[in-house]
Amino acid sequence: DAKTTQPTSMDCAEGRAANLPCNHSTISGNEYVYWYRQIHSQGPQYIIHGLKNNETNEMASLIITEDRKSSTLILPHATLRDTAVYYCIVRVAGGTYKYIFGTGTRLKVLA
Amino acid sequence: GAGVSQTPSNKVTEKGKYVELRCDPISGHTALYWYRQSLGQGPEFLIYFQGTGAADDSGLPNDRFFAVRPEGSVSTLKIQRTERGDSAVYLCASSLQGGDNEQFFGPGTRLTVL
Repeated sequence: DAKTTQPTSMDCAEGRAANLPCNHSTISGNEYVYWYRQIHSQGPQYIIHGLKNNETNEMASLIITEDRKSSTLILPHATLRDTAVYYCIVRVAGGTYKYIFGTGTRLKVLA
Repeated sequence: GAGVSQTPSNKVTEKGKYVELRCDPISGHTALYWYRQSLGQGPEFLIYFQGTGAADDSGLPNDRFFAVRPEGSVSTLKIQRTERGDSAVYLCASSLQGGDNEQFFGPGTRLTVL
């Protein structure tokens, strides 16, 4: 499974867009990019995933570069409740579907 | 509907003891995963079940760790001869048939080995 690299921490002002980068330069053609977040003392929560195309849902947008070596998770209007650790994960299509988590980005939304 | 539940929420035990951690997945989810999370780290994969069978147990650290899912629903993670290094939060997740389906995580069991 490809390794991901994320900044250790980021701050974002409430109401602003939070842009969380992820580098996955060794990603293979059949590996998906997943984003989860973990709020303190809870289990991780699914946000979004994609393979090649940009994706958007009610929580966030996922922008994947054309070469697929990096991606950005965008929270369009961050709120205090978005303060969490955000994990970028790449996972092989097929196989056992296990996730390999890194250490994630600790996002702090400031009032 | 009910999410993934895990019991107990906290477990304190002494070094050398045996512990069992239980996971109740979402009804109808055939895939079940166990992860372990140490302080300041991301979750670490332990084992994956598809139905009753362990399809991938490559993450189990040693033979003191064992997991079962006899009826394809509830799963139990068993740790023998616990060591202080086993202290962590043990997370369970389930999903519809594995694949690209998202994994739903439970709140975890915090295990402390004294």
